[in-house]
Amino acid sequence: QSALTQPPSASGSPGQSVTISCTGTSSDVGGYNYVSWYQLHPGKAPKLMLFEVSKRPSGVPDRFSGSKSGNTASLTVSGLQAEDEADYHCCSYAGSSWVFGGGTKLTVL
Amino acid sequence: EVQLVESGGGLVQPGGSLRLSCAASGFTFSRDWMRWVRQAPGKGLEWVADIKGDGSAKNYVDSVKGRFTISRDNGKNSLYLQMNSLRAEDTAVYYCARGWYWAFDMWGQGTMVTVSS
Repeated sequence: QSALTQPPSASGSPGQSVTISCTGTSSDVGGYNYVSWYQLHPGKAPKLMLFEVSKRPSGVPDRFSGSKSGNTASLTVSGLQAEDEADYHCCSYAGSSWVFGGGTKLTVL
Repeated sequence: EVQLVESGGGLVQPGGSLRLSCAASGFTFSRDWMRWVRQAPGKGLEWVADIKGDGSAKNYVDSVKGRFTISRDNGKNSLYLQMNSLRAEDTAVYYCARGWYWAFDMWGQGTMVTVSS
């Protein structure tokens, strides 16, 4: 049950695109298409942004997209906006358990 | 409106116990898996435990097995986490979340647990 690996930080200017990676193993990310991404703003409840690698819940802008290759999943935010500045955490099902990444702080410059 | 509200956090000495509660509203509580997730200061999220809608299946992260117990009362639309033998490393904000499509779609605001002497 080791944590997934995310870069601690990422940044981009308004309007640009940024991609955040999430690397696991064949027992979690590589073994299931059950990767999800969460946005955390200080003092607020976490928000689900993507589920099952690339599906967006209702209300999440299509600027947010996801993909997976092997043991690495990715979240791409296109057309960066100021309100996208937050912490992003990936998560994967790992067979009767769940494992999260360490989180990536996204800064909009 | 779906809402999850945690309570029961606080300051406890190492070796002590706490019981967290999560009041759910706005959905058919008995139908859904429910989960506890925590975030230690400066750290990432960590899944702690989950329980099936009818309570027939429970899972725990290795670090809390034998110390924490997840339970639910579907008549009261409530989720619980009994935490015993608490350690300093259990210090975190504890969130309850609903399981949905192999993800966690709704979260509470969290309740802080501090284990310190």
